[in-house]
Amino acid sequence: KQEVTQIPAALSVPEGENLVLNCSFTDSAIYNLQWFRQDPGKGLTSLLLIQSSQREQTSGRLNASLDKSSGRSTLYIAASQPGDSATYLCAVEAGSYQLTFGKGTKLSVIP
Amino acid sequence: DAGVTQSPTHLIKTRGQQVTLRCSPKSGHDTVSWYQQALGQGPQFIFQYYEEEERQRGNFPDRFSGHQFPNYSSELNVNALLLGDSALYLCASSLGTVEAFFGQGTRLTVV
Repeated sequence: KQEVTQIPAALSVPEGENLVLNCSFTDSAIYNLQWFRQDPGKGLTSLLLIQSSQREQTSGRLNASLDKSSGRSTLYIAASQPGDSATYLCAVEAGSYQLTFGKGTKLSVIP
Repeated sequence: DAGVTQSPTHLIKTRGQQVTLRCSPKSGHDTVSWYQQALGQGPQFIFQYYEEEERQRGNFPDRFSGHQFPNYSSELNVNALLLGDSALYLCASSLGTVEAFFGQGTRLTVV
């Protein structure tokens, strides 16, 4: 059974700092990995999708990497802003048509 | 493009009642998945619909059922509501099994 773990559960950083969020998964036979952002009480916004053949994806200040063999992914956020405050979720799809999610990392960026 | 739309946004039901939640997928998407997200947890997969058939199901009881219409929209039905069914219900659409896009969710409260 695929399990996804995100560390840390919560993170507080001053504005302007670069930061890294971590995601690990137990079964390396994945098709893709997706990072999402969730604001309180809201739905999920897709940030980046990394397919199994890729090592990283970039969008603006965000960069996500994938190491399938070690079962790890990182989301790097450059020059953090207060508007980046949200919960960040990592999810993997392993060929069973379902996404398996971690519990998320709650990020607070302090002005 | 309106993206994935869900209705209603909030709902309050009494234990034992039945509820129907609705989802319209992103334009061009043919696959709809439903997830349940309890407070402080990652979303849990309920089931996925493709070509009007349930293609995959997560670990949820038969009280949870669904339907997909020819226009790819979908409904989630929950019978005999329990207090534990209170959660944010998320609909996701995709073209095949690649990137998933989520709606804003329906907050269900069972009293």
